[in-house]
Amino acid sequence: GENVEQHPSTLSVQEGDSAVIKCTYSDSASNYFPWYKQELGKRPQLIIDIRSNVGEKKDQRIAVTLNKTAKHFSLHITETQPEDSAVYFCAASNYNTGNQFYFGTGTSLTVIP
Amino acid sequence: NAGVTQTPKFQVLKTGQSMTLQCAQDMNHEYMSWYRQDPGMGLRLIHYSVGAGITDQGEVPNGYNVSRSTTEDFPLRLLSAAPSQTSVYFCASKPWGLAGDTDTQYFGPGTRLTVL
Repeated sequence: GENVEQHPSTLSVQEGDSAVIKCTYSDSASNYFPWYKQELGKRPQLIIDIRSNVGEKKDQRIAVTLNKTAKHFSLHITETQPEDSAVYFCAASNYNTGNQFYFGTGTSLTVIP
Repeated sequence: NAGVTQTPKFQVLKTGQSMTLQCAQDMNHEYMSWYRQDPGMGLRLIHYSVGAGITDQGEVPNGYNVSRSTTEDFPLRLLSAAPSQTSVYFCASKPWGLAGDTDTQYFGPGTRLTVL
């Protein structure tokens, strides 16, 4: 099955700086890569996703890049704010089969005011 | 729409007890799934279903049973609880197949289970 690795496990940045979280996957058949944000005690919520036919996607201060050859994808948050502090999870799936989502182990992001 | 709902929010069991975690969604989603979340291990898929009467195992199915008699409900049963099943459990749902620009799953609020 698919194996998703996520780094770093913890990340601290000053408010206004950028944050980058990286994930690698093992199954070349995976073609859908969502990112979830989970605040303490809350449910995971989708913040951005990308399909394998696209190399980059941006939504205001967040962006995701995908390198299919190297099998890695990254989340970029610019101009970080204290409310960006949360745990972020990457995941990989095959939307043709749509059966299983494989999650990374999470990155705890702290934005220091 | 209530979205995905889960009950109970918290539960404490003794080893060997059984219980059912409830999950319901009102979005007419074909796909439903159960995850457990443990510190440092992300979300791991327990069981999933692609429609009423159809279920399959995920990464960590041992000790758990599921059934899907209706589109709306997908209960998770622990037949004989063990301390290793102490975790936070999330139910999720999504449309089957492509859904517009995203294939996102919608998560329920979670159930925090402690097995003593």
